[in-house]
Order: sequence, then C-alpha cells, then structure tokens
Amino acid sequence: QQKVQQSPESLIVPEGGMASLNCTSSDRNVDYFWWYRQHSGKSPKMLMSIFSNGEKEEGRFTVHLNKASLHTSLHIRDSQPSDSALYLCAAASNMGYKLTFGTGTSLLVDP
Amino acid sequence: DAGVTQTPRHEVAEKGQTIILKCEPVSGHNDLFWYRQTKIQGLELLSYFRSKSLMEDGGAFKDRFKAEMLNSSFSTLKIQPTEPKDSAVYLCASSSDRANTEVFFGKGTRLTVV
Repeated sequence: QQKVQQSPESLIVPEGGMASLNCTSSDRNVDYFWWYRQHSGKSPKMLMSIFSNGEKEEGRFTVHLNKASLHTSLHIRDSQPSDSALYLCAAASNMGYKLTFGTGTSLLVDP
Repeated sequence: DAGVTQTPRHEVAEKGQTIILKCEPVSGHNDLFWYRQTKIQGLELLSYFRSKSLMEDGGAFKDRFKAEMLNSSFSTLKIQPTEPKDSAVYLCASSSDRANTEVFFGKGTRLTVV
C-alpha cells in the first residue's frame, strides 16, 4: 500500500493566491522529506527538503514538518502560473536509501 | 556538468517485443534508481543499485523487468515481453550514497506498447 499520502489530489488557486499542499507518511522510520516539482512533460526536480521539526522558507515557498505526526506541508504564496505543476512528496528513512513518493498534487494557478 | 541521461526519449513497441532502455547517471553518483510513472500509480520503484550492486528489484516487477548495471556509468532496463499495461514513463535517477541527499532524475523514456 502507498506509504506516502498526499492531499489534495488536485488544486486550483488564483494567481497571487496561496496554495497549501499536504503529505503524510505511514512509515514510522521516516526521517527525511522532500518536495519535488514536475512540470508537464518534464522530469521531477527537487524543490525543497526538510529534515527537522519546524519551518523552512525559501522565497515564496515554505515547508513545515511535524515529525511526531510524520506530516509535512508545502505552502506557496503569491502563486504564479509558472507554479502550475505536479508536486511530489518523497520520504526516506535514516536507514534507507530510496525515496518513496506520493502520487502527487496537481496544482493549477489560474491567471 | 551532465545530468542523468536517458535514451531513447520515446519508444513504441508491439506487444510481446523486448525493449531495452538506457541510462547514464550523474558522474560520481553511487546510487541509481529506475522508476515507472503513471497517473494512477504515481512513481513506482523498479530497481535500485548501489555501487553497481542490485539492492532492490521492485518485487512485483521481477518477472518481466530486469535492470542491469555493468559499470558505474551505465545501466539498462529490459522489459521482456512487453504488455500494453507497461505503457508509462520510465525514469532513471541517481544520487550520492547518503540517505538525506537529493535525487536527480533523467528526462525519462515514454514507452507505448500497442
């Protein structure tokens, strides 16, 4: 079964709005989370990583992590049409090597 | 600075054919992954190599899928025989051998089996 769950499956936000994406792992061994972004027809590229409890901000993007609940969220403020893409959450344990991906959230920013 | 290179970019095969997909990882990376991506299942791990040794072969994909890594700079994924349900994008990725390191993806091979 899928160990990384993402919600919502799809999201439409107006240009300039805030997009909030969620991700939870059911594997208690998970220590590391990443967010990857995949534009249509392109390969996934890492957007942000978070390994410690709390918040990390890079420009318009903010990631939160709660290790107790194994939940991470990605927030995009002032969303732009170029942010329209599939956002993939990935998790790995400190014993592991491979990323387990969620099925993604498809974000559409409506101009 | 070359990233992960995959060939071909597109492949059309008839049901029952054998196809071979190729991947060159980022130079110096010890970990190499093959993923299959579909809209319904998302990204599924097919195979994982560390320093050319097969660490995981993706369980359910064992019977018709075989990945090999003959040297540190080249890997192949063979699908034999192909079935229409194999139609998907096949992504190769590589990283250094640390658990908290970024994984870099190739541009993928879009396989269509008719």
